[in-house]
Amino acid sequence: EDQVTQSPEALRLQEGESSSLNCSYTVSGLRGLFWYRQDPGKGPEFLFTLYSAGEEKEKERLKATLTKKESFLHITAPKPEDSATYLCAVDQFYFGTGTSLTVIP
Amino acid sequence: NAGVTQTPKFQVLKTGQSMTLQCAQDMNHEYMSWYRQDPGMGLRLIHYSVGAGITDQGEVPNGYNVSRSTTEDFPLRLLSAAPSQTSVYFCASSYRKGAEAFFGQGTRLTVV
Repeated sequence: EDQVTQSPEALRLQEGESSSLNCSYTVSGLRGLFWYRQDPGKGPEFLFTLYSAGEEKEKERLKATLTKKESFLHITAPKPEDSATYLCAVDQFYFGTGTSLTVIP
Repeated sequence: NAGVTQTPKFQVLKTGQSMTLQCAQDMNHEYMSWYRQDPGMGLRLIHYSVGAGITDQGEVPNGYNVSRSTTEDFPLRLLSAAPSQTSVYFCASSYRKGAEAFFGQGTRLTVV
C-alpha cells in the first residue's frame, strides 16, 4: 500500500537548536517529493521539490534531502518564525500528516 | 496576481443540503485539484483536472462532483451533505500534473 509517514508528529526546539524532520514513503515509481509549510488557518505553501535520490535543496535555514526511501528536512539555527506544520507529499497525491514545529525564543 | 482564490471561507450546512465550493486561479495553470484536510489524516485528494473539460477521481471522491469548463475555475459540488464531510477543503493549482502546487486559503465546512 502506498504510504507517506512523517515523524515526529510534534517537535519543540529552542531558538538556534538545529534538528531534522523525517518523511518516509513506500510509493513506487516516485515522480517528485514535495515539502510544504502550513501556518494555522492557511493553505500549504510550497518549499521544495526533490526528484531523485541524492538530490539536495536549500532555502535560508532549511535544507531538504532525498534517499530512495525517505526525505529529511534539516532546520539549522531555527527562529520563532519557523514555527509551522511541515508537510511532505509524494507526486502531489499522497500527503503525510505533518510535523508541527514550535521554536521557542 | 491573486493566485488561488476559494470562496466561501466558512460554511455551515445541514445534513442533506447541497452546495458548491468555488475555486479560481489566475496563473493560467492547467492542473487543478481539490483536497480535504482532517485531523490526523493529512491532505487527501478528492478530484483533479488536467485541463478544461477533463476531470478524474482522487483518493476520496464519493459524495463530491467537479467540472472544469474553463482553465480558471474548478468548483467542487457536495450533492447531499453528510456530517462525515465536515472538514477543511483546499483547492490547488499547478502548471502541470506533478509540479509544485499553489494552494488557496481553504474553506472550513461544518455539516450538522
